[in-house]
Amino acid sequence: DAGVTQSPTHLIKTRGQQVTLRCSPKSGHDTVSWYQQALGQGPQFIFQYYEEEERQRGNFPDRFSGHQFPNYSSELNVNALLLGDSALYLCASSYGRELYEQYFGPGTRLTVT
Amino acid sequence: GESVGLHLPTLSVQEGDNSIINCAYSNSASDYFIWYKQESGKGPQFIIDIRSNMDKRQGQRVTVLLNKTVKHLSLQIAATQPGDSAVYFCAEIPYSGGGADGLTFGKGTHLIIQP
Repeated sequence: DAGVTQSPTHLIKTRGQQVTLRCSPKSGHDTVSWYQQALGQGPQFIFQYYEEEERQRGNFPDRFSGHQFPNYSSELNVNALLLGDSALYLCASSYGRELYEQYFGPGTRLTVT
Repeated sequence: GESVGLHLPTLSVQEGDNSIINCAYSNSASDYFIWYKQESGKGPQFIIDIRSNMDKRQGQRVTVLLNKTVKHLSLQIAATQPGDSAVYFCAEIPYSGGGADGLTFGKGTHLIIQP
């Protein structure tokens, strides 16, 4: 049973560029949440996708957007990258929008130079 | 705004001793709390959870205690092993049911096991 997978594992981008991160949820899960984890900090909620729609959103600017596909996989897009966007981006999946049993992927390490 | 925080950023214990990791929360509406373990290069891994209507919950070698009076949460790890070395986060869900504003995490405590 595959857990949550994310790609790529590492990424280096330049300020002003755009980036797309990908997530495949755990088998049987239909909800994907994205978190940003700065170095030495706890993860911060970006948004949640369920039934291909953004359902909840944390305190992140519109530069952060996402998408969920019919197979429940998801993408996180960040436009006009800033140095402060450098972080570990975590994807978590669950069933039916439940937060109680979220399973996290290994994350994508984004470095903006 | 209200947030979950931790008392100590680093905790060093001897192998075989018990570890206690603390967490303070400020949102009295919090309904559900979770402890996560995050090893280097990995995503957070669920350890144990507790609902606000409980004071204590035990798992395998771990116990979570909830004191709602002082809004304090603790994770106790018995007979700490080298594999317990990691950063530990407490997280809260402020509402019952799903669909709330995601999990709110604290900053984390780095548990270091001394041989």
